[in-house]
Amino acid sequence: AQKITQTQPGMFVQEKEAVTLDCTYDTSDQSYGLFWYKQPSSGEMIFLIYQGSYDEQNATEGRYSLNFQKARKSANLVISASQLGDSAMYFCAMREYYNDMRFGAGTRLTVKP
Amino acid sequence: EAQVTQNPRYLITVTGKKLTVTCSQNMNHEYMSWYRQDPGLGLRQIYYSMNVEVTDKGDVPEGYKVSRKEKRNFPLILESPSPNQTSLYFCASSFSGASNEKLFFGSGTQLSVL
Repeated sequence: AQKITQTQPGMFVQEKEAVTLDCTYDTSDQSYGLFWYKQPSSGEMIFLIYQGSYDEQNATEGRYSLNFQKARKSANLVISASQLGDSAMYFCAMREYYNDMRFGAGTRLTVKP
Repeated sequence: EAQVTQNPRYLITVTGKKLTVTCSQNMNHEYMSWYRQDPGLGLRQIYYSMNVEVTDKGDVPEGYKVSRKEKRNFPLILESPSPNQTSLYFCASSFSGASNEKLFFGSGTQLSVL
């Protein structure tokens, strides 16, 4: 079965600094997608970024980038220039070919002013 | 506006009283799914549906039922709720089950079973 591991239950970062949220995954499939979602205190799930297993370039979306290391099966989220509004729960997820999306336990990020 | 509409937002009930959480999407998505979120466990899948009249169990289906009679609707039914079903529930949908399809989420239902 797919497994997503986020080893950092909580992280702190100073405003304007960069932060990396770790994610490792386990799959025997060659075709899969990796996703990051943000959950602010209001509770909604906000899609941030996607990386396909065949993509050679790391995905970027504004201040978010995904550090994809396929051989190590890691898909870390990098947030540059942290803002107070980045304080939230962050979930890493994986979806295999025509399968369900599985989520990690999440990392709670707190941005300090 | 493209969205997944989930109701109610908050629900407090008592053990054994049947309840239904509704979910509807207006994006003509084939794939729909229910998750529950618990602290330290992330989101765990309850049931999913690849299309109308096609449903299957996820990782934690015990105590839940679903149906998919129409493409847009995917209600979650708790026929005899118990306190261990107190959780935050999310409905989600995507165009298909392909690996590059992101999920669109409803706003969540916070359920408390007393």
